[in-house]
Parts: sequence; C-alpha cells; structure tokens
Amino acid sequence: QVQLQESGPGLVKPSETLSLTCSVSGYSISRGYYWGWIRQPPGKGLEWIGSVAHSGSTYYNPSLRSRVTISVDTSKNQFSLNLSSVTAADTAVYYCARHDSSGYSSEFGYWGQGTLVTVSS
Amino acid sequence: DIVMTQSPDSLAVSLGERATINCKSSQSVLYSSSNKNYLAWYQQKPGQPPNLLIYWASTRESGVPDRFSGSGSGTDFTLTISSLQAEDVAVYYCQQYYSTPLTFGGGTKVEIK
Repeated sequence: QVQLQESGPGLVKPSETLSLTCSVSGYSISRGYYWGWIRQPPGKGLEWIGSVAHSGSTYYNPSLRSRVTISVDTSKNQFSLNLSSVTAADTAVYYCARHDSSGYSSEFGYWGQGTLVTVSS
Repeated sequence: DIVMTQSPDSLAVSLGERATINCKSSQSVLYSSSNKNYLAWYQQKPGQPPNLLIYWASTRESGVPDRFSGSGSGTDFTLTISSLQAEDVAVYYCQQYYSTPLTFGGGTKVEIK
C-alpha cells in the first residue's frame, strides 16, 4: 500500500522559504510515476503547485513557477517542495500526492494527510 | 489555463435520493487520439485529503461504491450519486489533467436534507 507523509515547519515567517518533504513508503520512487504537491487554503479549493518525476523532471504551475522548486531524492524515497518569499496568501494545507500514471497528465491516486503551514510573523 | 467551473456550489439531498454535480471546462479535455476525457472526480471529507472517485471521466476507482458514476465528454461533465448515503456528505471536486497547469473546480458541498 502506497503511503505518503508530509513533514516540515508549521509556521513560516513572511519573506522566508517554506520547505516541506514528502516521505513515501510502500513504493520506490525510482520505479517511476510523477509525484506532486497540491495546496488548499483554509476553507477554499485545491491548487496544483507542481510535480516531479523520478528522473527529476519537473512541471510547475506558472502562477508559482518563479518561487517554486520541487526536487526528488530517490535514495531517501522522498521528494521536497521549496516555496520562497512567502506571504500570508501562502497559508494553506499542503498535500503531497502520487500521479496515477507514468505521466504528469494524470489524476492523483494517492495523497498524504496534508500539513498546515501558516505564514505569520 | 483551463478553468473548471462546478455547479451548484452546494446542494442538500434526502437520504436515498439522487445527487447530481456538474463540472464545465473552459476548453475541451477530450484527447482525440485516445478518445479519452482527461477528467477526474474527488471526494473530500472534513479534515481528510481528497479521495479519487472517478478518472477518465467515467471510470470508477477500485473500491468506490457503484452508486457513484461519472459521465460527459468534451467540456461538460457530471458526477452522480444515485442513492445518497450519510457517509457521502463531503465536498466534491473535478480536476482536468489534459494540460498544465492541472486545475480543479471550486468544489460542491453535498449535505443531507
């Protein structure tokens, strides 16, 4: 059973960088699939941030591209999100998820439980 | 970007009755070479991550009850719950994966009348 678990600080100061890691169990990232980050501001809808392949290839949401870096560490079976220059608008629950096929143009079949990140001084 | 518009924003349905949720995309998500619609539906209960219900617009994910069905093609899609159960109270989202950025609808909240 594929399981994903987000980890990282729950509070980040404005203008700093938000860093989260997704640990994957039950499946080796190096075997394939794309792995993504999605966020959900409190009480609002879902926004795709970007996705990374096991090879390190990335696709980002253009609305966040200038501030986002997603990377993969197959040796640790993890992938990570860095979002720079955060503001209060970046306060959200951040989910990591696995795409359901080998391409990034696919649905998300497995999700982590999500972690709330609050941007505040 | 492909904009996904869901309607209604919320609906209240009696137990055992049918619930219908609509999703419209700003451009077609039908990939002509495969004749597949790049559209998924998710259910999200409070405090939980979204759960995949339907992909390719009408293919039910393994383990999803058959009272959930998806239909539509091109730009207009529907998620139907044929006989609403108490455990179906949730927010439902559509998502297109035809092109990046991947985008979601705004969600439809389903409650018991």
